Amino acid sequence: DGGITQSPKYLFRKEGQNVTLSCEQNLNHDAMYWYRQDPGQGLRLIYYSQIVNDFQKGDIAEGYSVSREKKESFPLTVTSAQKNPTAFYLCASSSGGSYNEQFFGPGTRLTVL
Amino acid sequence: AQKITQTQPGMFVQEKEAVTLDCTYDTSDQSYGLFWYKQPSSGEMIFLIYQGSYDEQNATEGRYSLNFQKARKSANLVISASQLGDSAMYFCAMRDYYGNNRLAFGKGNQVVVIP
Repeated sequence: DGGITQSPKYLFRKEGQNVTLSCEQNLNHDAMYWYRQDPGQGLRLIYYSQIVNDFQKGDIAEGYSVSREKKESFPLTVTSAQKNPTAFYLCASSSGGSYNEQFFGPGTRLTVL
Repeated sequence: AQKITQTQPGMFVQEKEAVTLDCTYDTSDQSYGLFWYKQPSSGEMIFLIYQGSYDEQNATEGRYSLNFQKARKSANLVISASQLGDSAMYFCAMRDYYGNNRLAFGKGNQVVVIP
């Protein structure tokens, strides 16, 4: 089955630790995105990548980093510089098809203790 | 900057009835796209329907239809014949065609379908 996988679903970390969230897609999509969702809120764009080895900051990139070494993978690192990292993180990809809609993974819920 | 507004409080809907979710947007672009996504309690975002700014007809996908009023900058989602599985958060989003497929999301509408 084609789709987007994010692991793990739940993640706990101590304050001050960096943590990397995984996002893998087998849809052969060029573009990938990372969003953050806080309770009762919509999604906010952290980083996005249109092609391999290239990525751009979104609206709330401070305290986060990404890499795009392979088309299938777009990991997100939440660094200790992120002041309030506890949130639900969603990864998405898009192909540039007729609607160019974004397809989403199941999400990772990060809790920093 | 784009802005999406969804201001309705949580809604309770009787099973088999229709529900309309409001979405207004603000953009100075002439070319843009509007999306609706469903987010059940499990968290994943499910694409429902799309409307392009130049589409003359309102989009429909099964029980979902989009009431697009371009002059009012409104893109309301209509769900007909509600089912218990429709209970979820619903998000309106907009993409401009010059923004690298970036989406701007509203804060969502909560829908609970009751039997």
